[in-house]
Amino acid sequence: ELKVEQNPLFLSMQEGKNYTIYCNYSTTSDRLYWYRQDPGKSLESLFVLLSNGAVKQEGRLMASLDTKARLSTLHITAAVHDLSATYFCAVATGNQFYFGTGTSLTVIP
Amino acid sequence: EAQVTQNPRYLITVTGKKLTVTCSQNMNHEYMSWYRQDPGLGLRQIYYSMNVEVTDKGDVPEGYKVSRKEKRNFPLILESPSPNQTSLYFCASRPTTSAGIYNEQFFGPGTRLTVL
Repeated sequence: ELKVEQNPLFLSMQEGKNYTIYCNYSTTSDRLYWYRQDPGKSLESLFVLLSNGAVKQEGRLMASLDTKARLSTLHITAAVHDLSATYFCAVATGNQFYFGTGTSLTVIP
Repeated sequence: EAQVTQNPRYLITVTGKKLTVTCSQNMNHEYMSWYRQDPGLGLRQIYYSMNVEVTDKGDVPEGYKVSRKEKRNFPLILESPSPNQTSLYFCASRPTTSAGIYNEQFFGPGTRLTVL
């Protein structure tokens, strides 16, 4: 069974600061996803990463993938309050998806 | 509007009383899936379907059934619910054509189920 570990589980950061969320997974995967979930809401897709060295950026968020290390990172640059949410990584093998436990991010003014 | 819908959004029931949570998508997606979300555990896949009449178990299928008689619908059935099935359930869909095989999943709004 594929296991996905995210850390940290909780992250409180000040506006304007940078930080990184880590996602480790246990076996070879086809692709890796990052999602955002606001309280009481559904999941919103942020990034899909398909190959080793893939990097994608959207606004203040940048995701990268190292398939050899089985590691993906979600880097937050100059955080703003609107980024407060829970972030999940998910790893797919074939048609099955395995999610991390999520990182609850709070950005403090 | 392209969307995944779930009904009901909230449900409180008692142990052993059969229930069905419906899921429907209007995007003509081949792939549909059910997940449950529990605090500290993230989302776990229950069942998925590659197309009509094709379903397969995910990570936590025990206590659940699904069917895919039409492409747009993928109901989740709990024949004898138990308190440990109290959770937040999400349905999702995505295309699986060769051009879109790596496409993102679109999630429904969620169904919060409480089993007493």
